[in-house]
Amino acid sequence: GENVEQHPSTLSVQEGDSAVIKCTYSDSASNYFPWYKQELGKRPQLIIDIRSNVGEKKDQRSAVTLNKTAKHFSLHITETQPEDSAVYFCAASSPGAQKLVFGQGTRLTINP
Amino acid sequence: ETGVTQSPTHLIKTRGQQVTLRCSSQSGHNTVSWYQQALGQGPQFIFQYYREEENGRGNFPPRFSGLQFPNYSSELNVNALELDDSALYLCASSLDHNNEQFFGPGTRLTVL
Repeated sequence: GENVEQHPSTLSVQEGDSAVIKCTYSDSASNYFPWYKQELGKRPQLIIDIRSNVGEKKDQRSAVTLNKTAKHFSLHITETQPEDSAVYFCAASSPGAQKLVFGQGTRLTINP
Repeated sequence: ETGVTQSPTHLIKTRGQQVTLRCSSQSGHNTVSWYQQALGQGPQFIFQYYREEENGRGNFPPRFSGLQFPNYSSELNVNALELDDSALYLCASSLDHNNEQFFGPGTRLTVL
């Protein structure tokens, strides 16, 4: 079955700098890759997603890139702010599989 | 448009007991997926319900069961509770089974 690996497990950046989180997946049939932000004690919130027919997608300060050949995708957050501090999860889904397979999460801390 | 809601918020049970968790999907959504999130981990897929039928299941034993009602709300039932069942249980709703999933706030289950 699908396996998703996420790195790093923790990331600390200065406010205003960029943050990059990377994920790799195992199932070459996977075609949907969402990113979720989960603040302490709250629900995972969908922040951006990408489908396999697109190589890059941007939304405000977030961008996701997908490399289907290498089977990896990344989340880039620019101009980080203290409210970006949270745990971020990547996930992958393949056609007909219904489920999202999540990475282990990255705890992002923005230092003022 | 109302978001995904779950009840109860917190629950404490003892080993061997049974528990029922409830989820109301976002208005207009016909698919509910359930996930188990252990502390410090990414969510793990339990099963999905699409138009009142089970539409995929993860690696969870049969004592995890569920159902979906005509209004698309859903229940997760867990029998013979074990200590390892302690986790945050999340439901996510979507329009059809291959679209973006939006999470509820979760139910924190503690098994003593």
